[in-house]
Amino acid sequence: EDQVTQSPEALRLQEGESSSLNCSYTVSGLRGLFWYRQDPGKGPEFLFTLYSAGEEKEKERLKATLTKKESFLHITAPKPEDSATYLCAVHSGGYQKVTFGTGTKLQVIP
Amino acid sequence: KAGVTQTPRYLIKTRGQQVTLSCSPISGHRSVSWYQQTPGQGLQFLFEYFSETQRNKGNFPGRFSGRQFSNSRSEMNVSTLELGDSALYLCASSSGGSMNTEAFFGQGTRLTVV
Repeated sequence: EDQVTQSPEALRLQEGESSSLNCSYTVSGLRGLFWYRQDPGKGPEFLFTLYSAGEEKEKERLKATLTKKESFLHITAPKPEDSATYLCAVHSGGYQKVTFGTGTKLQVIP
Repeated sequence: KAGVTQTPRYLIKTRGQQVTLSCSPISGHRSVSWYQQTPGQGLQFLFEYFSETQRNKGNFPGRFSGRQFSNSRSEMNVSTLELGDSALYLCASSSGGSMNTEAFFGQGTRLTVV
């Protein structure tokens, strides 16, 4: 069965303090790995899709990378508005479904 | 461009009842996926519809069902409600023919079963 584990569960950063969130996965035939951001009371907002090991994508202060076993979401010089829960999900070709991790709750303090 | 619309936003039902939730995808999107989100389990995939056909299905009992209409709008039905069905139900739409494409989520329907 596909498994997605995110760490840490919660992260508190000072504004400007860069860090990384981890998403490790075990899947049958990775078709794609997704990163989403979710604010309280809202649905997840799409950030990135990564398809193969070595791939990297960037958007403003965020950069996502992918290896054969895990993905990292690097946050450079975060701002308070980056505070949210970040979700990782994988699309498995073997089971033809999407599996989400439980998320990392990020708090950026001014 | 209008986003994904889910109705109703909030719902309170009694154990044993059934409920129908609605999702209107972004115009032009043909894929609609449904998810259940709870504090303990996180986001769990229910099923995906593409062009009125269920294409993928998660590990939920048969009490959870859905359908998609010719205009891509989708409904999800839960029969014989249990307390454990209390959750935020989210739908997401995408344009492509694969679940790999960018998905846009609605605000969700908060279901409370009492």
